[in-house]
Amino acid sequence: AQRVTQPEKLLSVFKGAPVELKCNYSYSGSPELFWYVQYSRQRLQLLLRHISRESIKGFTADLNKGETSFHLKKPFAQEEDSAMYYCALSRLGGYNKLIFGAGTRLAVHP
Amino acid sequence: DAGITQSPRYKITETGRQVTLMCHQTWSHSYMFWYRQDLGHGLRLIYYSAAADITDKGEVPDGYVVSRSKTENFPLTLESATRSQTSVYFCASRGPGYNEQFFGPGTRLTVL
Repeated sequence: AQRVTQPEKLLSVFKGAPVELKCNYSYSGSPELFWYVQYSRQRLQLLLRHISRESIKGFTADLNKGETSFHLKKPFAQEEDSAMYYCALSRLGGYNKLIFGAGTRLAVHP
Repeated sequence: DAGITQSPRYKITETGRQVTLMCHQTWSHSYMFWYRQDLGHGLRLIYYSAAADITDKGEVPDGYVVSRSKTENFPLTLESATRSQTSVYFCASRGPGYNEQFFGPGTRLTVL
């Protein structure tokens, strides 16, 4: 079954602390993995995708096919990082469906 | 204003009533999607459309109907609303050959 699991509903850290939002997936085939973010009162937007291997707003995520994980990391959290984060996957190379995880709320305290 | 818009932004209705949520995009994107967002479930795909007059079911299609007579519009209809359809509904679109979906602002629907 195709599935995305985000085990933490809420992650609470202090400003300047490292952050790791966990994402595990199950997929029979070659997936493409994404992180979407939803800031308060804003629409959902793409944060990064594994295929681009980029760093956005200091966040990085590496696809680990052996552990079927795509954890989102940032070395030093900022208050403006507080948001809802969703991990999602699709079939690699063209698709019609994104499968989302349940989401993790990141709260960064001053 | 370019982009993807949804209307209404908030809607309260009663059980058994028909409700239509509108989605409009100005990019001429081929693909459009409807999701519902519920606590503990994240976003779940209701229906999607690859082009005008081409639609297909997603993960949770029961109780919903869609149409796509024009590329830019993708309305979602709840034919007989139920309390379990109380949710936040997001529309999204994407162009061909590109995996990023662009989301609308959402419609918060309450069914009493």
